[in-house]
Amino acid sequence: ETGVTQSPTHLIKTRGQQVTLRCSSQSGHNTVSWYQQALGQGPQFIFQYYREEENGRGNFPPRFSGLQFPNYSSELNVNALELDDSALYLCASSSQGLYTDTQYFGPGTRLTVL
Amino acid sequence: RKEVEQDPGPFNVPEGATVAFNCTYSNSASQSFFWYRQDCRKEPKLLMSVYSSGNEDGRFTAQLNRASQYISLLIRDSKLSDSATYLCVVNMAKFYFGSGTKLNVKP
Repeated sequence: ETGVTQSPTHLIKTRGQQVTLRCSSQSGHNTVSWYQQALGQGPQFIFQYYREEENGRGNFPPRFSGLQFPNYSSELNVNALELDDSALYLCASSSQGLYTDTQYFGPGTRLTVL
Repeated sequence: RKEVEQDPGPFNVPEGATVAFNCTYSNSASQSFFWYRQDCRKEPKLLMSVYSSGNEDGRFTAQLNRASQYISLLIRDSKLSDSATYLCVVNMAKFYFGSGTKLNVKP
């Protein structure tokens, strides 16, 4: 087990709604990254948080936003849900720096948008 | 061109076979590389990290060729339990994943 936890495990929403996904990082890790994985694809980088600041962002619209808390846990918020947002959302924790940047994944949240 | 490219497979091999996957990447300045395995509908799990020319862990060997910008994964003596999708990941300031190579090990 990686020690990274995510909640909820599954979620069903309708178009236009908003959703908040949560992630607790592994002990000793100060960086959390979020990924979206559509069926049959590799994970796509959404953004990364380091010490409560956004530290890099992928090609996702502003309706994808996040937070990191002082205990390094994190939230991913998605507004105005679209059908294409249906995917597995993965959180990964790591530390900064070469040789310590290995990412450990939580079990993911499977989001279905109807 | 995608930042990280992998052959999607599937690779269908018998138990005991040796199989190799390649992964190419676009940024020559990349410093860290990883192989993850992912079982169906589960999260990726780290197989190995590669920071220099390669790494070996039991039946698994990863090799990095910086000049040609590719990283390979060799699996020896394949087991049924090795059946999974193998994801190549490159840290190019952000982490870029390939789409994965599917391996089926048959009895």
